[in-house]
Amino acid sequence: EIVMTQSPATLSVSPGERATLSCRASQSVSSHLAWYQQKPGQAPRLLIYGASTRATGIPARFSGSGSGTEFTLTISSLQSEDFAVYYCQQYTNWPVTFGQGTKVEIK
Amino acid sequence: QVQLVESGGGVVQPGRSLRLSCAASGFTFSNCAIHWVRQAPGKGLEWVAVISYDGSNKYYGDSVKGRFTISRDNSKNTLYLQMNSLRAEDTAVYYCARDELGAILDYWGQGTLVTVSS
Repeated sequence: EIVMTQSPATLSVSPGERATLSCRASQSVSSHLAWYQQKPGQAPRLLIYGASTRATGIPARFSGSGSGTEFTLTISSLQSEDFAVYYCQQYTNWPVTFGQGTKVEIK
Repeated sequence: QVQLVESGGGVVQPGRSLRLSCAASGFTFSNCAIHWVRQAPGKGLEWVAVISYDGSNKYYGDSVKGRFTISRDNSKNTLYLQMNSLRAEDTAVYYCARDELGAILDYWGQGTLVTVSS
């Protein structure tokens, strides 16, 4: 099983600032990496797939990068609606595995 | 629009069984693989199982293998998860999610809560 490790566990950011979230895979997942956003009481929402492709309707302030074992999700200018938990997920091998999440909170 | 609606959750005693359903609409259900993903209270996401578009292929997470069975009825646009020998650690919100792009979960239902407790 591929283990996905996200850092930091919590990120405190002021509105308008940039947020950088990291995700590391225990072995190469090529570009088979997705990012999801989850707000309290809601289902996760797909943000990014293929490591860098934004899903339909996702604002351009969200961007993804990386390949192999190191990945980054960047939110260029945090809006109030972006404060949430973010998960990465690899889909190169079964079982699909998620990282433990990064909570982005208001500083 | 794409909709996935889970049902069947509730409180169940350890060792008992429960069947969850996921009703799909707004897309061609028979063209898509569908996953179950769960989330224990206050915890992260855990992948549970997937079934291919035609039901011919199924994969399970290690924690549920041998106890849970995923199935689908394309004539009813409905996905199922039969959960047997339930344990306290199966307590979670269970989500179904569409997979149109190869294990990328592009639409999710709102989830149904399963509580395993005596």
